[in-house]
Amino acid sequence: DQQVKQNSPSLSVQEGRISILNCDYTNSMFDYFLWYKKYPAEGPTFLISISSIKDKNEDGRFTVFLNKSAKHLSLHIVPSQPGDSAVYFCAASAWDDKIIFGKGTRLHILP
Amino acid sequence: NAGVTQTPKFQVLKTGQSMTLQCAQDMNHEYMSWYRQDPGMGLRLIHYSVGAGITDQGEVPNGYNVSRSTTEDFPLRLLSAAPSQTSVYFCASSYGQGATDTQYFGPGTRLTVL
Repeated sequence: DQQVKQNSPSLSVQEGRISILNCDYTNSMFDYFLWYKKYPAEGPTFLISISSIKDKNEDGRFTVFLNKSAKHLSLHIVPSQPGDSAVYFCAASAWDDKIIFGKGTRLHILP
Repeated sequence: NAGVTQTPKFQVLKTGQSMTLQCAQDMNHEYMSWYRQDPGMGLRLIHYSVGAGITDQGEVPNGYNVSRSTTEDFPLRLLSAAPSQTSVYFCASSYGQGATDTQYFGPGTRLTVL
């Protein structure tokens, strides 16, 4: 049973436009959410996170929005750049600090 | 700082063979963990360690052993390799166990079991 779902395996966005990556979760005990970015042949790298007491967290071009009632979070990248082409993993954790990862969304930034 | 290093980068095994995947970090992190990533799947936690001498099971521990004799090293042993263990393995480390402690991942080991 998937607790963290990324329903879009891939997404293509024009360079300069906004990229929106979505993530849904089923476990209402999750209280901390993370996004990781992964390039081919490299390990994932931490991108941005949000606590359940907030509904928005911003870091430069990256903003994560959390809608607890809908059990939904999204990552916005504005403006999208060629170096943003990667696989993005949504992840969540509860009281036990075990991090559960989604399957990932491959983002292609088109020139 | 080299960060988290993993060896080998690639490995091919025959069913039934054993091997050890090496992981080392030079950041003096207490928490280390092993994940596997399968096609179309997220990362799944195999084993983790909160400090030298302490290890525990994650989500998918069967077929794997770990030990943590030093802060720096956290090897993962496959006792008798099976085709189902074909995967990419990532080692990670962080200052603490909390989800708020940023995890740093190694570059991965791609393992194929024939």
